[in-house]
Amino acid sequence: LAKTTQPISMDSYEGQEVNITCSHNNIATNDYITWYQQFPSQGPRFIIQGYKTKVTNEVASLFIPADRKSSTLSLPRVSLSDTAVYYCLVGDNDTGRRALTFGSGTRLQVQP
Amino acid sequence: EAQVTQNPRYLITVTGKKLTVTCSQNMNHEYMSWYRQDPGLGLRQIYYSMNVEVTDKGDVPEGYKVSRKEKRNFPLILESPSPNQTSLYFCASSPTGHSSGANVLTFGAGSRLTVL
Repeated sequence: LAKTTQPISMDSYEGQEVNITCSHNNIATNDYITWYQQFPSQGPRFIIQGYKTKVTNEVASLFIPADRKSSTLSLPRVSLSDTAVYYCLVGDNDTGRRALTFGSGTRLQVQP
Repeated sequence: EAQVTQNPRYLITVTGKKLTVTCSQNMNHEYMSWYRQDPGLGLRQIYYSMNVEVTDKGDVPEGYKVSRKEKRNFPLILESPSPNQTSLYFCASSPTGHSSGANVLTFGAGSRLTVL
């Protein structure tokens, strides 16, 4: 069963870069790594997805090493509105099933 | 607007009274799934469906049923709710259950269920 591990919480200040790392030692060969952001009482929202190396979009970057056993979400110059819980997600490709397993999430608190 | 719609958003019920939480998506997505979210436990998948008439268990299926008779709808059924099913429930869909598409989920706004 694919499983992810993330830090429970992180603190930062406005304007700083934040890096959140997710460990996924048992990721399957054809699985992608996807990150979500969730605000209180809302459904998670897709941020970024990658397979290997580096992916960048307008809100974040995703770094994935060659062995793909971990990934790092990078949020440049965070603001107060980035205070949220961040989840990484990998598929569970055990025997062809497409169950999805989220980690427990990382609660990011951004201070002024 | 592309979206996943869940109903009801809030529900208080009593032990043993059957209930159904509906989920509908308007994006022609193949993959649909249900999650429950409890404090400190993150999101846990209950059931998922790769397409019409194809469903499978997630991590925590006990006490729940689902059906996928139409592509757009994926209701969650609690035949005999118990207090340990008090939780925040999310429905989500993605274009496909295969490869990269499976992980790009669109979530509903959530349904907060309390079982007394």
